[in-house]
Amino acid sequence: DVKVTQSSRYLVKRTGEKVFLECVQDMDHENMFWYRQDPGLGLRLIYFSYDVKMKEKGDIPEGYSVSREKKERFSLILESASTNQTSMYLCASSLWDREAGELFFGEGSRLTVL
Amino acid sequence: GEDVEQSLFLSVREGDSSVINCTYTDSSSTYLYWYKQEPGAGLQLLTYIFSNMDMKQDQRLTVLLNKKDKHLSLRIADTQTGDSAIYFCAEILPSGGSYIPTFGRGTSLIVHP
Repeated sequence: DVKVTQSSRYLVKRTGEKVFLECVQDMDHENMFWYRQDPGLGLRLIYFSYDVKMKEKGDIPEGYSVSREKKERFSLILESASTNQTSMYLCASSLWDREAGELFFGEGSRLTVL
Repeated sequence: GEDVEQSLFLSVREGDSSVINCTYTDSSSTYLYWYKQEPGAGLQLLTYIFSNMDMKQDQRLTVLLNKKDKHLSLRIADTQTGDSAIYFCAEILPSGGSYIPTFGRGTSLIVHP
């Protein structure tokens, strides 16, 4: 069974803390994505990566960074968490080609910043 | 980025048909997708349609594509309470060296007895 695993389902952090959200996929996919999901706003792309050590900014990269040292792992980093980063974070992966729209999602990580 | 448009809510009675509509942006999109998100879970691919098709049927699901109007719809026949979820329309847009799925805001389908 193919899987995208996000390390934490629920996190509570304080303003200013550094936050790591980890995502691992076991499908040997080239593409990996981080989205945030907020009510009424749908999914907004933060960063994506189409290869190891490659990263591209999405629509809302401010306040975030990412790391992809290994093909199966894509990490989202909040250098200094702020309350407006309270959200649901979804990781996804896909193959590299034009069928890249077939994304496989993790269960999500709900982050609360106090 | 440009917007994929969907209405935010749809309420139907159990046993009725549901129709969720979407307007996408890029007439050259090769594939168009419908994803389903159940409460507390990530998104799962529900169905997709290739752009050279007008219609695709899969059991209770029917996808209609109007390329001229860039309009996509998902019809769920005999809607059940288990169909209550958020439904996302998505298209693929080129970005740099890859292709990026772009999602609508999602339509919350509420099925009541």
